Amino acid sequence: NAGVMQNPRHLVRRRGQEARLRCSPMKGHSHVYWYRQLPEEGLKFMVYLQKENIIDESGMPKERFSAEFPKEGPSILRIQQVVRGDSAAYFCASSPRRALGTEAFFGQGTRLTVV
Amino acid sequence: ELKVEQNPLFLSMQEGKNYTIYCNYSTTSDRLYWYRQDPGKSLESLFVLLSNGAVKQEGRLMASLDTKARLSTLHITAAVHDLSATYFCAVEANFGNEKLTFGTGTRLTIIP
Repeated sequence: NAGVMQNPRHLVRRRGQEARLRCSPMKGHSHVYWYRQLPEEGLKFMVYLQKENIIDESGMPKERFSAEFPKEGPSILRIQQVVRGDSAAYFCASSPRRALGTEAFFGQGTRLTVV
Repeated sequence: ELKVEQNPLFLSMQEGKNYTIYCNYSTTSDRLYWYRQDPGKSLESLFVLLSNGAVKQEGRLMASLDTKARLSTLHITAAVHDLSATYFCAVEANFGNEKLTFGTGTRLTIIP
């Protein structure tokens, strides 16, 4: 059973480009959470999704950021018109049930660098 | 808003010594988690503490939870070099709240 798979592991974008980060949850997990880790900081919650639904996006910046988790395929975190401040590690976690708890597992993260 | 504070932020200690990392949080919590993160890697779950007075131990690490004081500790006994990492505590404010609030982390360096 593969763990939570994120790709790419490293992503470099120029200012103004778009970044697409992918997260494939563990088999049997239908709940996905995205977190952002700025350098030297802890992880900050961004968004919680179930298949085809956004459940809680209270941590998402109001502009340029969007997330989806389609019926088929991975969850996508999309950042439009990236700026230097978007440089961070983006982690997703998945769980089989609604509550993020002992059954949640984190992926290895995508490290986004905006130049 | 739930706040989680860890201290110290940086800890450099010699092999063989004992030390404690503290995690304070600002509101009632049902669950508290400790994670380890190596540089450039993901988070590895260490402990889940589910009730007041809970104590869990794994090797040289022991975690405890005092929900009345809103305090968790991670105690390191006789540190060894391979424990060098960043340690995070995270709080799930209410069961089913779906999100964790993380502390800023403690970067632990064990010196031979």
